[in-house]
Amino acid sequence: GEDVEQSLFLSVREGDSSVINCTYTDSSSTYLYWYKQEPGAGLQLLTYIFSNMDMKQDQRLTVLLNKKDKHLSLRIADTQTGDSAIYFCAESMDTDKLIFGTGTRLQVFP
Amino acid sequence: DTGVSQDPRHKITKRGQNVTFRCDPISEHNRLYWYRQTLGQGPEFLTYFQNEAQLEKSRLLSDRFSAERPKGSFSTLEIQRTEQGDSAMYLCASRGPGDEKLFFGSGTQLSVL
Repeated sequence: GEDVEQSLFLSVREGDSSVINCTYTDSSSTYLYWYKQEPGAGLQLLTYIFSNMDMKQDQRLTVLLNKKDKHLSLRIADTQTGDSAIYFCAESMDTDKLIFGTGTRLQVFP
Repeated sequence: DTGVSQDPRHKITKRGQNVTFRCDPISEHNRLYWYRQTLGQGPEFLTYFQNEAQLEKSRLLSDRFSAERPKGSFSTLEIQRTEQGDSAMYLCASRGPGDEKLFFGSGTQLSVL
């Protein structure tokens, strides 16, 4: 079956880089997403990548995809306290049904 | 604000009561989705519409749940005879034609006492 796994917690110092990792099991995944959720709020789309790409960069965000190992990562450069949130990766075959991980709580300390 | 709008933000109800939530998608978005998120978990797919047609329903959507999108614009999600296990955040999302990006609303937090 489909499964997406993430580590539960990450703590980094302000100004350092954060790397959030995700593994998925469905080899037919076509789209892979990263969402951010702040307390009591909905999900904010950060970025997404097609499965035929291995890297995508968008300002402070870099997504790396290792399709062979079914491993996705999100790197946040120059992490700020405002980046503290829960980060979800999600995979989908067709963009209609996203399978989400359990989320990684990122805590940024001064 | 042209994002996905959900109402109410919070709903507290007693077990056995019926509740209804509303979602207004981004204008011109033809696809609308409902997800459910319980504490400490990621969102889980419930159902989705293309225009007014409901195209897929998850096994999570028991017969106490019904969703509609009568005119292909806003959608409602009704839960009948609520149970404590229904307590969760109900998230709505929408997507435009040919777009890979799914945009979520802020959700309706349901608490069943």
